Amino acid sequence: LAKTTQPISMDSYEGQEVNITCSHNNIATNDYITWYQQFPSQGPRFIIQGYKTKVTNEVASLFIPADRKSSTLSLPRVSLSDTAVYYCLVARRGNQGGKLIFGQGTELSVKP
Amino acid sequence: DVKVTQSSRYLVKRTGEKVFLECVQDMDHENMFWYRQDPGLGLRLIYFSYDVKMKEKGDIPEGYSVSREKKERFSLILESASTNQTSMYLCASTLTDRGRLGYGYTFGSGTRLTVV
Repeated sequence: LAKTTQPISMDSYEGQEVNITCSHNNIATNDYITWYQQFPSQGPRFIIQGYKTKVTNEVASLFIPADRKSSTLSLPRVSLSDTAVYYCLVARRGNQGGKLIFGQGTELSVKP
Repeated sequence: DVKVTQSSRYLVKRTGEKVFLECVQDMDHENMFWYRQDPGLGLRLIYFSYDVKMKEKGDIPEGYSVSREKKERFSLILESASTNQTSMYLCASTLTDRGRLGYGYTFGSGTRLTVV
């Protein structure tokens, strides 16, 4: 599975839009870009997944350029409760049961 | 909502002890996983299981074993605990179809194990 690289930490203020970029240079054709969120003292939870262009749900947007070697998670108007670690993963569809390989993640700190 | 329950939130064990970490899920998921999480290293996959009595090694299986006798329960065993196994242990589960799609994993809240 492709290795991902993302910033170790980011700071933001309430109400701002936050963009976290992840690089995955060795992504394969049947790989999907997946983001998970982890709050302190909890396990990670799924946020969003995409293959190309743009995906939006009630939590975030995911932008993927045509070459798919990077992706950007966009969190609109963050609040203090968005303080968490955000993991970018490459998930290969089709494997029996699948398995997720996590990197170090990006620790987002939202300040008042 | 799917619930993944880990038996202990905090655990302190002595070096050399045999340690059992238990994980139970209540939504009939086929796939279950054990990860450990350490500062600066993120989550690393220890073992996973696609079905009862089936298991496969993850990236860091050394010093660990697993047991899956029933579909809802996946146990992680530290045969002889060592201080370098002090960590946060996270269990996860997913349906086979969702696992194949790379999403829909549900994690437990974790067990923080300290080996002294």
